[in-house]
Amino acid sequence: ETGVTQSPTHLIKTRGQQVTLRCSSQSGHNTVSWYQQALGQGPQFIFQYYREEENGRGNFPPRFSGLQFPNYSSELNVNALELDDSALYLCASSLGTEDTGELFFGEGSRLTVL
Amino acid sequence: AQSVTQLGSHVSVSEGALVLLRCNYSSSVPPYLFWYVQYPNQGLQLLLKYTSAATLVKGINGFEAEFKKSETSFHLTKPSAHMSDAAEYFCAVSVYSSASKIIFGSGTRLSIRP
Repeated sequence: ETGVTQSPTHLIKTRGQQVTLRCSSQSGHNTVSWYQQALGQGPQFIFQYYREEENGRGNFPPRFSGLQFPNYSSELNVNALELDDSALYLCASSLGTEDTGELFFGEGSRLTVL
Repeated sequence: AQSVTQLGSHVSVSEGALVLLRCNYSSSVPPYLFWYVQYPNQGLQLLLKYTSAATLVKGINGFEAEFKKSETSFHLTKPSAHMSDAAEYFCAVSVYSSASKIIFGSGTRLSIRP
């Protein structure tokens, strides 16, 4: 069974740039959720994708956008980067949207914005 | 809206001592509750979950948690701490209609003294 993999693991960008983070979901999972974890804080829900459609969004501006592909892998795009976007971005996969809530997390992509 | 509050950002116990990590929840409907653990430089891993069955929930690595509706609490305990338990612990909540949109607390860092 293949777990959740994320790429890149680390990256550095400057203010105003754009970034794309990638996630491969666990085998058999059709739902991907993205979270932002700032240093010393808990993960904050960004959005969820189910069968290629956005299925819920947290309190993040439109410059945070995403995609899910037919193989259920996903991308998180952030435009016009700000210093406060520096964080660990976590992808989590699950089977369906109304399961008992067990999310399987990747190890994250650590973004530093200078 | 549902939320969780974790009391104590840092807890330190001696090896072999009782571990108690506190979590209180707020939800207008019966919640699902979870504890996740995050080891350094890793993603989150599910420890245990409450989904309205037994109020005492047993998880992995000897951890358990008790759902107390009257106290709106879901504290995590382990009778005897081990050095390998040192990690960040997150309490989380969701509601049935959107079970995978989990809301996390701010986390408690557990340190184990030799």
